[in-house]
Amino acid sequence: ELKVEQNPLFLSMQEGKNYTIYCNYSTTSDRLYWYRQDPGKSLESLFVLLSNGAVKQEGRLMASLDTKARLSTLHITAAVHDLSATYFCAGTAAGNKLTFGGGTRVLVKP
Amino acid sequence: GAGVSQSPSNKVTEKGKDVELRCDPISGHTALYWYRQSLGQGLEFLIYFQGNSAPDKSGLPSDRFSAERTGGSVSTLTIQRTQQEDSAVYLCASSVGTSAYNEQFFGPGTRLTVL
Repeated sequence: ELKVEQNPLFLSMQEGKNYTIYCNYSTTSDRLYWYRQDPGKSLESLFVLLSNGAVKQEGRLMASLDTKARLSTLHITAAVHDLSATYFCAGTAAGNKLTFGGGTRVLVKP
Repeated sequence: GAGVSQSPSNKVTEKGKDVELRCDPISGHTALYWYRQSLGQGLEFLIYFQGNSAPDKSGLPSDRFSAERTGGSVSTLTIQRTQQEDSAVYLCASSVGTSAYNEQFFGPGTRLTVL
């Protein structure tokens, strides 16, 4: 059974600094997703990582995948207030069922 | 184009009542998923439908939960004899298929409160 763990659960960021969220998973996952969720809103897809060594970047966010270590990271460069949200990683089991991590609540302070 | 829609957006019910939650997937998407987001359990898979295949019900927490998908499109999640622990946001997602490249698109969710 696939298990996904994220850390930290909460991240208080200062604007302009860099931070990393970690996502570990227990068994082979076909792919790894990162989602963003704003309060009271649904899930917004950020990245889909399909293979070992995959790296994707969008703006100040960069996600990477190491399938040998069963680790994905979401790196935030020069944090800004607009990035305040909860971030989830998710792996997939058979049938594309998503197994989510516990989420990382990010708060960016001026 | 239209995304995944869900109704109602909010539902308040009394313990012991039955509720029905509806999901309209993106047109042409053959796969439809239900997830639940609660404070205690986080985000968890409930059930998924793929085309005409039998649904995967492995995530349903009890036999009070059931779902159907009519005509390969709209889906209804039914919770019978609701309990307070059923209070959560129920999210629906759809995708073109279930292969590695088929991204799931999520609806806005239905917030269920059981008093």
